[in-house]
Amino acid sequence: GQQVMQIPQYQHVQEGEDFTTYCNSSTTLSNIQWYKQRPGGHPVFLIQLVKSGEVKKQKRLTFQFGEAKKNSSLHITATQTTDVGTYFCAGPNAGNNRKLIWGLGTSLAVNP
Amino acid sequence: NAGVTQTPKFRVLKTGQSMTLLCAQDMNHEYMYWYRQDPGMGLRLIHYSVGEGTTAKGEVPDGYNVSRLKKQNFLLGLESAAPSQTSVYFCASSYFLANTYEQYFGPGTRLTVT
Repeated sequence: GQQVMQIPQYQHVQEGEDFTTYCNSSTTLSNIQWYKQRPGGHPVFLIQLVKSGEVKKQKRLTFQFGEAKKNSSLHITATQTTDVGTYFCAGPNAGNNRKLIWGLGTSLAVNP
Repeated sequence: NAGVTQTPKFRVLKTGQSMTLLCAQDMNHEYMYWYRQDPGMGLRLIHYSVGEGTTAKGEVPDGYNVSRLKKQNFLLGLESAAPSQTSVYFCASSYFLANTYEQYFGPGTRLTVT
C-alpha cells in the first residue's frame, strides 16, 4: 500500500547546528504537508507544498518538494531549543484524498 | 474561537468499561477525524467523517464506533475497552478547498485501560 517514510527517526543536535529531515513517498503526491508536535502537545500544521520543485521558507525553516513530487525535506538552520519536537510529513491518500498518509515522524532533541 | 476541543483530557478505564470521547470544532469544517497515537507508531486514523451524518472507517477502526449527528461534533465510542486501546487520541478537522486541507488538531485525550 501507499507509504510515507521519514528519516531519520531521531536526531540529537547541539543548539546552533543545522537539522534536516527527509520524507519519501511510495507514490506521487498532489501535495505534502508538514506538522510539528511539541512534547506532550498536539500536531500543528506548518506548511503545505503543492508544486513540483517548490521551496518555501518560514524564518529558519526551509521546506522543499521534490521535482518528481515523491519526496520532501525540512531543513532548520541554527537550531534553537524551541525547535524541539517531532516533525511529521503527510500526503493525501491516492485512493481517497480526504485522508492523509502520515510519516512516522522525526524527533528532534536540541542540547542547549 | 476555540478551534478544536476534546473532552475529557485524561481518563482511566478498566477493561470492559465503555466511554465516549467528544470532539467539537467551531470552524465550520466539513471533515473531522479521529486518530490514535502510540509511541513509534505515528498517527493512525481510526474513523473519519466528510460531513454531518456520514462516517467512514480508517486504518484501525476495530473496537471503536463514531457518530457525527451535528456538523461541529464528532464522537468516538469505545464499547468494551481493552488494554490495547491505551493511547493518546487526537481529533482533527479540516476544510477542503482547492486542494488545500490542512488539519487542525485538538489537544488530545490520554486514555489508559487497565
